Amino acid sequence: AQKVTQAQTEISVVEKEDVTLDCVYETRDTTYYLFWYKQPPSGELVFLIRRNSFDEQNEISGRYSWNFQKSTSSFNFTITASQVVDSAVYFCALSGYTGANSKLTFGKGITLSVRP
Amino acid sequence: DVKVTQSSRYLVKRTGEKVFLECVQDMDHENMFWYRQDPGLGLRLIYFSYDVKMKEKGDIPEGYSVSREKKERFSLILESASTNQTSMYLCASRPTTGNYNSPLHFGNGTRLTVT
Repeated sequence: AQKVTQAQTEISVVEKEDVTLDCVYETRDTTYYLFWYKQPPSGELVFLIRRNSFDEQNEISGRYSWNFQKSTSSFNFTITASQVVDSAVYFCALSGYTGANSKLTFGKGITLSVRP
Repeated sequence: DVKVTQSSRYLVKRTGEKVFLECVQDMDHENMFWYRQDPGLGLRLIYFSYDVKMKEKGDIPEGYSVSREKKERFSLILESASTNQTSMYLCASRPTTGNYNSPLHFGNGTRLTVT
């Protein structure tokens, strides 16, 4: 069975602070995909990143960066110099490679509040 | 741009009513999904569909059924609504041609209240 744990439930920071959102996953699959989604107050989930299990390179996209560590089954997300617009619920998700295993399993989400 | 449209943003129904939640996508995606989102529980998969007339139970299918008669439309049905089905319902779709792991595209959600 697949499982995604986002141990942090709510995080509050002041604008311009850096913040890291943790994600730990469990799977028996040798090939799998990891995702991060953002859900702003408007409600629609927005895709941020997908990473497959063969690619452990960290990724940076502007103020966002992701640290994938297979050894610790973690896929953490860091926002550098946070802004008020980053306030949202962030979900980490996991899927297997094919067929029925490819349905997404989500974590419970982390509510990030960035104060001006 | 992919558009996933859920017919209602807010819905209020009475206990025992039959409720239809409609979802339409405009990108010819094979896979469609229904999730419910509850505080502290995240997103939980109710049903998904690989293609027309195909459906698979997700993690919490009890009390729900689905219909996929056309590729673009995926309906979630609450046969007899109950108060514990008060929730935010999210529909999503994705293409699978050559890749089962394309990102999901989500609709804006339907907030259902059952009184």
